[in-house]
Amino acid sequence: ILNVEQSPQSLHVQEGDSTNFTCSFPSSNFYALHWYRWETAKSPEALFVMTLNGDEKKKGRISATLNTKEGYSYLYIKGSQPEDSATYLCASPPLYNQGGKLIFGQGTELSVKP
Amino acid sequence: DTGVSQNPRHKITKRGQNVTFRCDPISEHNRLYWYRQTLGQGPEFLTYFQNEAQLEKSRLLSDRFSAERPKGSFSTLEIQRTEQGDSAMYLCASSTWTGMNTEAFFGQGTRLTVV
Repeated sequence: ILNVEQSPQSLHVQEGDSTNFTCSFPSSNFYALHWYRWETAKSPEALFVMTLNGDEKKKGRISATLNTKEGYSYLYIKGSQPEDSATYLCASPPLYNQGGKLIFGQGTELSVKP
Repeated sequence: DTGVSQNPRHKITKRGQNVTFRCDPISEHNRLYWYRQTLGQGPEFLTYFQNEAQLEKSRLLSDRFSAERPKGSFSTLEIQRTEQGDSAMYLCASSTWTGMNTEAFFGQGTRLTVV
């Protein structure tokens, strides 16, 4: 069974703070790691898909790293803005499953106060 | 094409009633997924289709749940004899499968409240 865990569950920061969250997954059962941002009343939006150990991806002020050997990924937000307030989800496909389904973590809810 | 569309956005129903949700995927996408999300949890896989064929159902999906994707286009998810435990956000996603790094595009979800 693939367990994807995220921490912290929630985070409250001030505008301008930099922040990071963790996603952990079994290193022995790894194909890919997906990060999504889900704003209230909107669709979950894909941020990154990462597959290779040591991968680093960046989109604006948001970046992510991947360590498949130890089974974790970090998502960083530099200089948080109120519009970054959302739930950040990571997900991974189960081993040997060609269906494309994703196993999601519980999410990290980020609140950025002006 | 404006993305994945789900209807209705909200549904309140009495326990014991049947409800049906609709998902219109991105038109060229051959795969369609249904997920359920409850408070404090991440989305949980329910079922998926490749074109019109339903290829996998979660063991969590009781017999009261049924999904269809006639002609490989839109999909419906029906819940019969709803229970309070069915209250959740139901999300639909679609993709064109190219491998494990394929990005799935999600709709805004249908929030079901069973009273």
